[in-house]
Amino acid sequence: DTAVSQTPKYLVTQMGNDKSIKCEQNLGHDTMYWYKQDSKKFLKIMFSYNNKELIINETVPNRFSPKSPDKAHLNLHINSLELGDSAVYFCASSQDRGLAGLGVPFFGPGTRLTVL
Amino acid sequence: GEDVEQSLFLSVREGDSSVINCTYTDSSSTYLYWYKQEPGAGLQLLTYIFSNMDMKQDQRLTVLLNKKDKHLSLRIADTQTGDSAIYFCAESIFHSGNTPLVFGKGTRLSVIA
Repeated sequence: DTAVSQTPKYLVTQMGNDKSIKCEQNLGHDTMYWYKQDSKKFLKIMFSYNNKELIINETVPNRFSPKSPDKAHLNLHINSLELGDSAVYFCASSQDRGLAGLGVPFFGPGTRLTVL
Repeated sequence: GEDVEQSLFLSVREGDSSVINCTYTDSSSTYLYWYKQEPGAGLQLLTYIFSNMDMKQDQRLTVLLNKKDKHLSLRIADTQTGDSAIYFCAESIFHSGNTPLVFGKGTRLSVIA
């Protein structure tokens, strides 16, 4: 069984379009994340959600809007796609216990977005 | 701010040991991780170490942590061609109850047969 799954695996679209990437985790974790890996393989946190609530929003354009319908899902919607949005987007989840400690983050397989 | 540094490339011969080094800046790091990424694939967790440990061994992998110098290393014994990949060091920072990872830029390991 896949722990963290993402769809689609590949997404090719034109500039200016709006697209969504879906993420689901079946680990019962209460925290989910979106990371972006650029063409140089650099990985950076974009968003973090804890129990459906946005906790971290790094310097990400407003065109990116995460949505968490429930704690097992964290979707990423991107408006008005630009060439620079081309990257691999990774979803992850972990069980955070606040001051009691953290859980190991598990990553999804990634979604390769190509904007033409 | 948080910063994690790694050398970008490492080349070793099959059968030799590989040592990938990493330095980090945030002394409040709790866990430090090593992830492996093969071409076109996702991130595979290799191992992690809690910041109050000095060493962790798991089969061919040995992680050494020098907390004073904020230096982390991953040693792969008997390196095989299948170990060719990018290896990411990452630190976990306590942030409002969440623990996002701060990644290094990755070390590309090439194993020569």
